[in-house]
Amino acid sequence: KAGVTQTPRYLIKTRGQQVTLSCSPISGHRSVSWYQQTPGQGLQFLFEYFSETQRNKGNFPGRFSGRQFSNSRSEMNVSTLELGDSALYLCASSLARGRALTDEQFFGPGTRLTVL
Amino acid sequence: GENVEQHPSTLSVQEGDSAVIKCTYSDSASNYFPWYKQELGKRPQLIIDIRSNVGEKKDQRIAVTLNKTAKHFSLHITETQPEDSAVYFCAPLLHGSGNTGKLIFGQGTTLQVKP
Repeated sequence: KAGVTQTPRYLIKTRGQQVTLSCSPISGHRSVSWYQQTPGQGLQFLFEYFSETQRNKGNFPGRFSGRQFSNSRSEMNVSTLELGDSALYLCASSLARGRALTDEQFFGPGTRLTVL
Repeated sequence: GENVEQHPSTLSVQEGDSAVIKCTYSDSASNYFPWYKQELGKRPQLIIDIRSNVGEKKDQRIAVTLNKTAKHFSLHITETQPEDSAVYFCAPLLHGSGNTGKLIFGQGTTLQVKP
């Protein structure tokens, strides 16, 4: 099976712009979670989608949003970019048997976003 | 609450020694406790997990122990090897409504195994 893929791998934007990141989960996986990784804050949970519905959300401002499509692919969007949004954005997919998140999460390679 | 504390933040051991990393959480309803390993420039990967109905789980040189009463769980690596050098994260499941939840990652422990 192919692993989790993320596009693009690298992105450079300027303050005030918006960006859309894409995540394709492992075939058959229904849950997709997004994380922001920075040296100072570590790995922080953004949100989780299951069957096209956002089930959980982290403590990020409304500029961060996401969605999931019927084929389980997910996108996240960040509007009005700030310098502090520079980070590695990781998505992870899991089977979510029984709807719970107690199955292994498989991470993608991440998208490295730089905001200038 | 969403408090997850992981200690130590850095750990340096000699090859062949054991390493122990501890994670403390605050959500008494947590029932799933994974550990992830992230090598430099790579994605996090699950190395071992435990559910709340057991107290210990082993997989070759890696083990995880859980103390639900004290709300902490620990990663034990025996006979460490240089390839064990990486950042390790605990990520207890914080429960949400229904049967959902989110993984809250600890701050990470940088393990260096010196040959």
